[in-house]
Amino acid sequence: QKEVEQDPGPLSVPEGAIVSLNCTYSNSAFQYFMWYRQYSRKGPELLMYTYSSGNKEDGRFTAQVDKSSKYISLFIRDSQPSDSATYLCAMRDPNAGKSTFGDGTTLTVKP
Amino acid sequence: GAVVSQHPSRVICKSGTSVKIECRSLDFQATTMFWYRQFPKKSLMLMATSNEGSKATYEQGVEKDKFLINHASLTLSTLTVTSAHPEDSSFYICSATGTSGSFSYNEQFFGPGTRLTVL
Repeated sequence: QKEVEQDPGPLSVPEGAIVSLNCTYSNSAFQYFMWYRQYSRKGPELLMYTYSSGNKEDGRFTAQVDKSSKYISLFIRDSQPSDSATYLCAMRDPNAGKSTFGDGTTLTVKP
Repeated sequence: GAVVSQHPSRVICKSGTSVKIECRSLDFQATTMFWYRQFPKKSLMLMATSNEGSKATYEQGVEKDKFLINHASLTLSTLTVTSAHPEDSSFYICSATGTSGSFSYNEQFFGPGTRLTVL
C-alpha cells in the first residue's frame, strides 16, 4: 500500500464549479502538507503549503488538513478553464529529507 | 521567492552521447536537491536525492553510473545522462529545498523540466 493515495481521475467539471481534490495517507509522522499544480510539459508549481491540521485559504483555493483522519483536501472555487491541470498532493515528515507525493489528479474545467 | 531554473528546457541527442542538465536555485540556498523523471501522463518518479557537497542517494533501480549527479554548490546541481539511449527519453525535473537567510523551507520547489529525446 502506498503511503499517499490520490484518485487519479480524470475529473471533468463545468466552468464555475467547485472542485474538491483529496488525498489520504498512512504515515502519522507527516506534518507538512503541500498541493502542487502541474500543467502539461511543465514542472510542478507549489500552490498551497500547510503545517499540521487546519484550513488555509488563498484566493479561490482552500487547503484543508485533517490529521485525525489522515485526509487532506484542496478546494477550488469558481473553477476556470485555466485551472485544467494535474494536481499533486505532497506531504513530509519533519525528520525526512524529502516529500512523499501522490500520483496526481487530472482536472479538466470545460468552458 | 524560491525559484528554481533548469537548463536546457529541451534537448535532442544521438544515441551514445552524454547529456548534462543543470538545475539552479536562484534566490535561496539549495541544501537538498532532487531529480525526478516523468513519463507522459504518469506520476513523478524520484531518481535521487543530493545534499550539497555529498554524494547523491539513488532510489532503488536507478543506475548511478548511468545518471551522474553532482551537487557541488548551494545553488547548482547537475544531472548527466551518460551514453544515452532511446529508452532514456523522458521529462526530467529537478526540485530543491533549503534556506533563505535564517528561514528554512519545508516544501520543495520545482524547476520547469527538461525534455530529453534520444534518437
